[in-house]
Amino acid sequence: KNQVEQSPQSLIILEGKNCTLQCNYTVSPFSNLRWYKQDTGRGPVSLTIMTFSENTKSNRRYTATLDADTKQSSLHITASQLSDSASYICVVSPNWDSSYKLIFGSGTRLLVRP
Amino acid sequence: KAGVTQTPRYLIKTRGQQVTLSCSPISGHRSVSWYQQTPGQGLQFLFEYFSETQRNKGNFPGRFSGRQFSNSRSEMNVSTLELGDSALYLCASSLGLAVTGELFFGEGSRLTVL
Repeated sequence: KNQVEQSPQSLIILEGKNCTLQCNYTVSPFSNLRWYKQDTGRGPVSLTIMTFSENTKSNRRYTATLDADTKQSSLHITASQLSDSASYICVVSPNWDSSYKLIFGSGTRLLVRP
Repeated sequence: KAGVTQTPRYLIKTRGQQVTLSCSPISGHRSVSWYQQTPGQGLQFLFEYFSETQRNKGNFPGRFSGRQFSNSRSEMNVSTLELGDSALYLCASSLGLAVTGELFFGEGSRLTVL
C-alpha cells in the first residue's frame, strides 16, 4: 500500500536552533517528492520538489535530502525563525501518468519559541 | 502575477444544504485539483481537472462533484451537506498534471456545517 509517514508529529524548538523533519515513503513507482509549508489557516506553499535522481535541494534556510534507495527524505531547517512555525507536509508522486494520485503525509507541526 | 484565488473564504451552512466553491487558477495553468483538509485526516485528494476534463478522482462519495470551465476556472459542489463535511477546502493549480510538477495552492474555503 502506498504510504507516506512523517515524524515527528510535532516539534518545539528555540529560535535560532536547527531541526530536521523526516519523511519515509512506501510508494512505487516513484516520480518525485515535495515538501510544503502550511501556515495555520493558509494554503500550503511549495518549498522543494525532487526527482529520484536528485539527492539534495535547498531553498533559503530549507534543505531537503532524498535517498531513493531507502525511500527516505528529510527537511533540515537552519537557524530557525519564529515565522518557521507551521506544518510541514511531505508529498510523494508515484508517476507522471494522470492515473496516479499524489500521496500526502500527515505533516509535522513545528513550533519555534523565542 | 496573481495567485490562486478561492471564494468564498468562509461559509456556514446547515445539514442538507448544498454549497458551491470557486477556484481561479494562475493564468496559463490548465490543471486544477481540489483537496479536503481536516485536523484528523490531513490533506485528502478530491479530484483533478485538466482542460475541462476530470483526470482523476479521490475516494469521496458522489455528493462531491466538480467541473472546469474553458478559462480553467473550476468549481466544486457538495450536495446534501453532512456535519463531517466541515473542513478547509483547498484548490491548487499547476501548469501540467498535479503529479508532474509544482502545485500552487489557494488560501482555501473554510466550510462549517451546523
